[in-house]
Amino acid sequence: LAKTTQPISMDSYEGQEVNITCSHNNIATNDYITWYQQFPSQGPRFIIQGYKTKVTNEVASLFIPADRKSSTLSLPRVSLSDTAVYYCLVGDWFSGGYNKLIFGAGTRLAVHP
Amino acid sequence: GAVVSQHPSRVICKSGTSVKIECRSLDFQATTMFWYRQFPKKSLMLMATSNEGSKATYEQGVEKDKFLINHASLTLSTLTVTSAHPEDSSFYICSARDRQPPVETYEQYFGPGTRLTVT
Repeated sequence: LAKTTQPISMDSYEGQEVNITCSHNNIATNDYITWYQQFPSQGPRFIIQGYKTKVTNEVASLFIPADRKSSTLSLPRVSLSDTAVYYCLVGDWFSGGYNKLIFGAGTRLAVHP
Repeated sequence: GAVVSQHPSRVICKSGTSVKIECRSLDFQATTMFWYRQFPKKSLMLMATSNEGSKATYEQGVEKDKFLINHASLTLSTLTVTSAHPEDSSFYICSARDRQPPVETYEQYFGPGTRLTVT
């Protein structure tokens, strides 16, 4: 399982775009990159998943360079409710195995008024 | 999206007693469920993988006799904390992987968590 490295914390202000970068130097060919969001005393919530290039959904974008050794979660125009911990995970989703997820430390994002 | 529930949401028990936590996939079948624990301000730590119809696989350092896991059906896994002690107080979270996920969706769904306090 590829290890991930993220900034421990980030601060932003309402309305700004936030980019959180995750490093995963030993990502394997079959690995996908997945981001989860967690609020205090709640289970993690899926945000976005990708394999390469760019993925966009209604809440975020995920940018993955060609070498796939890093990825960047982009949150457009954050609000106070985006204050949470964001986890980047890397794993093989196709192997047919049980695909356990190993969480790193995550990035604690604080959005200020 | 798929929903995973946990029961109870919070529980307080006395030291030495056992506590059972249920994890249910409400609208999908899960051959595999996962149990995590999380201490305040810390990340989730995987405890074990629960496989339907077979023994659970525990992560290194997790006592299997203390944290009993039973995955009796495709929608239910239970975690029993036996002879609980104050140091077992934590936030326990389960997740489940859809047995037959929609195309291009490889997501694990997490429950809301159970807050265990051992006094």
